[in-house]
Amino acid sequence: DAGVTQSPTHLIKTRGQQVTLRCSPKSGHDTVSWYQQALGQGPQFIFQYYEEEERQRGNFPDRFSGHQFPNYSSELNVNALLLGDSALYLCASSFFLQGSGEKLLFGSGTQLSVL
Amino acid sequence: GEDVEQSLFLSVREGDSSVINCTYTDSSSTYLYWYKQEPGAGLQLLTYIFSNMDMKQDQRLTVLLNKKDKHLSLRIADTQTGDSAIYFCAERGGGADGLTFGKGTHLIIQP
Repeated sequence: DAGVTQSPTHLIKTRGQQVTLRCSPKSGHDTVSWYQQALGQGPQFIFQYYEEEERQRGNFPDRFSGHQFPNYSSELNVNALLLGDSALYLCASSFFLQGSGEKLLFGSGTQLSVL
Repeated sequence: GEDVEQSLFLSVREGDSSVINCTYTDSSSTYLYWYKQEPGAGLQLLTYIFSNMDMKQDQRLTVLLNKKDKHLSLRIADTQTGDSAIYFCAERGGGADGLTFGKGTHLIIQP
């Protein structure tokens, strides 16, 4: 089992451009969450997708959008890139078991640099 | 909003115990987690504890939760060089808007 896979691993964009990051969840997981980790900071929650719909959203502008496909894979799209969007973007998959806690399995991330 | 605080650095000698501390503000936290991040890697879930528990042990790891003081700790027994990493405390609040992470504690192992 490959676990959570993200692509690409590294990406360089310029201000104003748009970017799409991709994530394939662990086999058997049905929920995908996206986090942004700036240098020296902890990850910050962007949003979560379940059954192809955005279920929860953190404090991020509408420039950040996503999608979940029927096979549970997911995309994160960021429009009108700003220098401050430079960060490691982490995808996490999970299968929520009531009473057992939601155990997030993280991928290795996509390092986005905006110049 | 919710906040999670951790010390930035902890230095211990190989073979000693490491204790990493964390405080949080959300009194409606349901689960609290410890994640480990090695350079260039994603986050690895080490352990988690439900908010109605006060202790959980898993091999070399012991988690203590003081819900009254909103204080969480992770003890690593017999610390090894492979334990060198950044350790993140995280909580899931009652509002369940994803996990709220601290800034991470860099664990430095001295030979």
